[in-house]
Amino acid sequence: GAVVSQHPSWVICKSGTSVKIECRSLDFQATTMFWYRQFPKQSLMLMATSNEGSKATYEQGVEKDKFLINHASLTLSTLTVTSAHPEDSSFYICSARAGSRSGNTIYFGEGSWLTVV
Amino acid sequence: GDSVTQMEGPVTLSEEAFLTINCTYTATGYPSLFWYVQYPGEGLQLLLKATKADDKGSNKGFEATYRKETTSFHLEKGSVQVSDSAVYFCALRPNRNSGNTPLVFGKGTRLSVIA
Repeated sequence: GAVVSQHPSWVICKSGTSVKIECRSLDFQATTMFWYRQFPKQSLMLMATSNEGSKATYEQGVEKDKFLINHASLTLSTLTVTSAHPEDSSFYICSARAGSRSGNTIYFGEGSWLTVV
Repeated sequence: GDSVTQMEGPVTLSEEAFLTINCTYTATGYPSLFWYVQYPGEGLQLLLKATKADDKGSNKGFEATYRKETTSFHLEKGSVQVSDSAVYFCALRPNRNSGNTPLVFGKGTRLSVIA
């Protein structure tokens, strides 16, 4: 079945550095992917909608210059956390919607735990 | 706007107990409704879904019925197991012609099942 793969699963970085998280749809094309963020014991909050070949659409309150999203192909979207700070430590998860042959199901990546020290 | 409200946890049950996690929603039209489960240290997995009123989604012994009249999608399981310990998220996807619309999640309910 359709699978969304996210990498890395865990990452620790120093404050001030940048981290890139990849989200791949493995056996289907996704013109749109979604990036969510989850703080401990909180719900998932939509950060942005990633559109292939065009700029991402960010939710209110999400800094687009800090959370860079690139959707360069139909199977890959990347989220780069620039100049990371400890308050950016969180669980980041992407999702993509498979097409009608896969029942239009929304699939989630495994998520990426980011710890900024 | 669209929103999902689910009961706050944590919920602690003994093995083989009956589980209900309440979920109500606010949305225009007829959204699709979902339950996702997040096991410790893992990402989200779709547990079950329902796309129209009176549909019942079921999987792994869990059930939820789409109730339009009460705008609810309560999750139930007749006999929980220790392996069901996880965080459960109720979610909706608005029914819009644009096609690709993101999910709206509830805050999640942590379930702990003790032997």
